[in-house]
Amino acid sequence: QQQVKQSPQSLIVQKGGISIINCAYENTAFDYFPWYQQFPGKGPALLIAIRPDVSEKKEGRFTISFNKSAKQFSLHIMDSQPGDSATYFCAASITGNQFYFGTGTSLTVIP
Amino acid sequence: DADVTQTPRNRITKTGKRIMLECSQTKGHDRMYWYRQDPGLGLRLIYYSFDVKDINKGEISDGYSVSRQAQAKFSLSLESAIPNQTALYFCATKSGSSGELFFGEGSRLTVL
Repeated sequence: QQQVKQSPQSLIVQKGGISIINCAYENTAFDYFPWYQQFPGKGPALLIAIRPDVSEKKEGRFTISFNKSAKQFSLHIMDSQPGDSATYFCAASITGNQFYFGTGTSLTVIP
Repeated sequence: DADVTQTPRNRITKTGKRIMLECSQTKGHDRMYWYRQDPGLGLRLIYYSFDVKDINKGEISDGYSVSRQAQAKFSLSLESAIPNQTALYFCATKSGSSGELFFGEGSRLTVL
């Protein structure tokens, strides 16, 4: 059973557009929600993370929106660039121990 | 040098063979993890270890075993490889005080 459900599986966006990736979870014990970015041939790397006591976190062009009541969170990439083309994984964990990952979203930003 | 090093990076083997994937880290982290990545399935946790004497099963541990030889070394073994274990395997580390996982560059295993 997938603990974290992620959509869409793939996404194509024009340069300068907004990329939005959504995730949903059921376990209300999750208390840490990171997003990882993976380039081909590389391991995933932490992009941005949020805890459920805030509804939004922004770092540069990347924003996490968190809806605790709906048990959903999303990644917004503003002014998307070709260099943002990668696979993005959402994840959730309890007290930073086990991490449960979504199935990934392949983002392609067209110049 | 990479902080989290996986060897081998690529391996092709035959059904029934024993395979070991090795991971070493220079970050001084106490927690180490093995994940498996398959297209459309994301990253799934195989085993994790919080220190040398602590080994825990993850979501998909059947068919795998691990050994934590030292704080810096965590190896994954497939005792008798089968084709559906063909995947990209990642080792990751984390300190107890931080939420961030640090991943190696992966080991691509093909079982024929």
